[in-house]
Amino acid sequence: ETGVTQTPRHLVMGMTNKKSLKCEQHLGHNAMYWYKQSAKKPLELMFVYNFKEQTENNSVPSRFSPECPNSSHLFLHLHTLQPEDSALYLCASSQGVANQPQHFGDGTRLSIL
Amino acid sequence: EDQVTQSPEALRLQEGESSSLNCSYTVSGLRGLFWYRQDPGKGPEFLFTLYSAGEEKEKERLKATLTKKESFLHITAPKPEDSATYLCAAVGSLSAGYALNFGKGTSLLVTP
Repeated sequence: ETGVTQTPRHLVMGMTNKKSLKCEQHLGHNAMYWYKQSAKKPLELMFVYNFKEQTENNSVPSRFSPECPNSSHLFLHLHTLQPEDSALYLCASSQGVANQPQHFGDGTRLSIL
Repeated sequence: EDQVTQSPEALRLQEGESSSLNCSYTVSGLRGLFWYRQDPGKGPEFLFTLYSAGEEKEKERLKATLTKKESFLHITAPKPEDSATYLCAAVGSLSAGYALNFGKGTSLLVTP
């Protein structure tokens, strides 16, 4: 596998469920990111991890919980989500965080019932 | 506050009809300006990085340019396969976590 891989591609869950999104990068990068993409809005940064350490939490509600066990894997744990959380969740990676291009996976399309 | 604005929101071109997409940015201490292409159901695909005013990058029918206030993505003789949403993003020295600030994108449709 090459690039950035996200699973699952689609997820439907109820508001009381707990689920996790997974991201794996095969690019040898040391920084990973979670973004939220909603219709008619710019991509919104959620979390940044640099060398497995969280360096940014962009005022994200606690119902989203990230985990980065190593620089190749990133998870987003979800619990008691709201309907407005329905969106495309994108994972990205880069070599460093300062001014290097980020490479994205194809995202998980999340629908909250 | 860092801001990125793209125009137009949508653009329809005939095959072979050249045009330009605009990205205006207000970023303190620009460290990089990025262009991405996004197809439906896919994640953004990296196209170019520009670092300083006057810089230009080219790839096939696409050419990106940068000034101190805006960037242009010029599309020469587009083909239907160039249809996609084009995203612009900027990162500045004061950007939280060096995060990319994205515009809303320009949706391009090229008809045969």
